Amino acid sequence: KAGVTQTPRYLIKTRGQQVTLSCSPISGHRSVSWYQQTPGQGLQFLFEYFSETQRNKGNFPGRFSGRQFSNSRSEMNVSTLELGDSALYLCASSLETSGRGETQYFGPGTRLLVL
Amino acid sequence: GDSVTQMEGPVTLSEEAFLTINCTYTATGYPSLFWYVQYPGEGLQLLLKATKADDKGSNKGFEATYRKETTSFHLEKGSVQVSDSAVYFCALAVNTGNQFYFGTGTSLTVIP
Repeated sequence: KAGVTQTPRYLIKTRGQQVTLSCSPISGHRSVSWYQQTPGQGLQFLFEYFSETQRNKGNFPGRFSGRQFSNSRSEMNVSTLELGDSALYLCASSLETSGRGETQYFGPGTRLLVL
Repeated sequence: GDSVTQMEGPVTLSEEAFLTINCTYTATGYPSLFWYVQYPGEGLQLLLKATKADDKGSNKGFEATYRKETTSFHLEKGSVQVSDSAVYFCALAVNTGNQFYFGTGTSLTVIP
């Protein structure tokens, strides 16, 4: 079974631009979560989608948004990029049967550099 | 709010040494607890987990026991190997769904 895939793997953008990242979960997984990983802040939860609905949201500004499609694929969008948005963005999927704290399977991440 | 505090790194050990990485948590609900590992050049992967008090998670010689009274989930291994060199993350999930809170990670280097 293929793992979680993320595209693109690397991105360079300039301040003020917007970016869209894509995540394809493991086949059959219905929950997709997004995280931002930086050396200073570590791994921070952005949001989680389940059945095309945002179920949980972290403490990030509204410039960060996402969506999930009917095939469980998810996209994350960051508008008006700032230098501090430079990070590794990780996507994780889970099967979602118990409703809480399922094992998450992580993708390799998209490394975003904002200049 | 919900959070995880784990031991600062980096940690350097000789092969066959005993490993402990401390992890404590604060949670408003009743969390599930996890240890994830990130090997060099690879993505995060689950190492072990525990979903209720006194549960012991174990995998690849690593163990961690969910201690509700001390709000801790310390990772231990009796004899580390060079191949255990990686970054270890403690995490909790408490809400409905999969909102995880991660610690800052502890880098472990094992030298021969």
